Amino acid sequence: QVQLVQSGAEVKKPGASVKVSCKASGYTFTGYYMHWVRQAPGQGLEWMGRINPNTSGRNYAQNFQGRVTMTRDRSISTAYMELSSLRSDDTAVYYCARGPLRVVAEFDYWGQGTLVTVSS
Amino acid sequence: QSVLTQPPSVSGAPGQRVTISCTGSSSNIGAGYDVHWYQQLPGTAPKLLIYGNSNRPSGVPDRFSGSKSGTSASLAITGLQADDEADYYCQSYDSSLSGLVFGGGTKLTVL
Repeated sequence: QVQLVQSGAEVKKPGASVKVSCKASGYTFTGYYMHWVRQAPGQGLEWMGRINPNTSGRNYAQNFQGRVTMTRDRSISTAYMELSSLRSDDTAVYYCARGPLRVVAEFDYWGQGTLVTVSS
Repeated sequence: QSVLTQPPSVSGAPGQRVTISCTGSSSNIGAGYDVHWYQQLPGTAPKLLIYGNSNRPSGVPDRFSGSKSGTSASLAITGLQADDEADYYCQSYDSSLSGLVFGGGTKLTVL
């Protein structure tokens, strides 16, 4: 069965960086996009971007350009999302989510989420 | 301010039918891009409910249905049950932003 297992909760200071991992299993890792979506406390969902694990091609949402980097390690079927220059309003649950290799993709499987808290 | 507009809340009694709207524009839904819907139960990750405007993934009851017309889409839930109480989100693509976008979410309360 398809599973996306994310790394544990993080606490970071303003200005620092955080790197969240997402280990995929139960399917061909290179056959689907991996997306990252975040949700601030009590707020809605926000798409951050996606990576093609086969080509490493990336598309980032405009709100995160210059601050987010998405990478992958095909040998261990793991995707990573690094967010830099953290601010207090980056406090959120960060999800990885799988999607078909097309532009207007749905997210058919989601990770359990990783809480990132930014606080001095 | 979300690109796709949803009502903040809807409610209904058990057994009733409710609809949740998702209004976009000519750069997203109106441009013909597919709309997808997610259900998020409290404290859990979102779950895909409807994809490609009106298709249900395996395991999703046929009480849930989706439709799209013009610059809007709708999610309908019939035979409302207590465990349908959740947040619901629509999602599509926006050509002006060159990215995927979500609605602001709708909280469904079962009275």
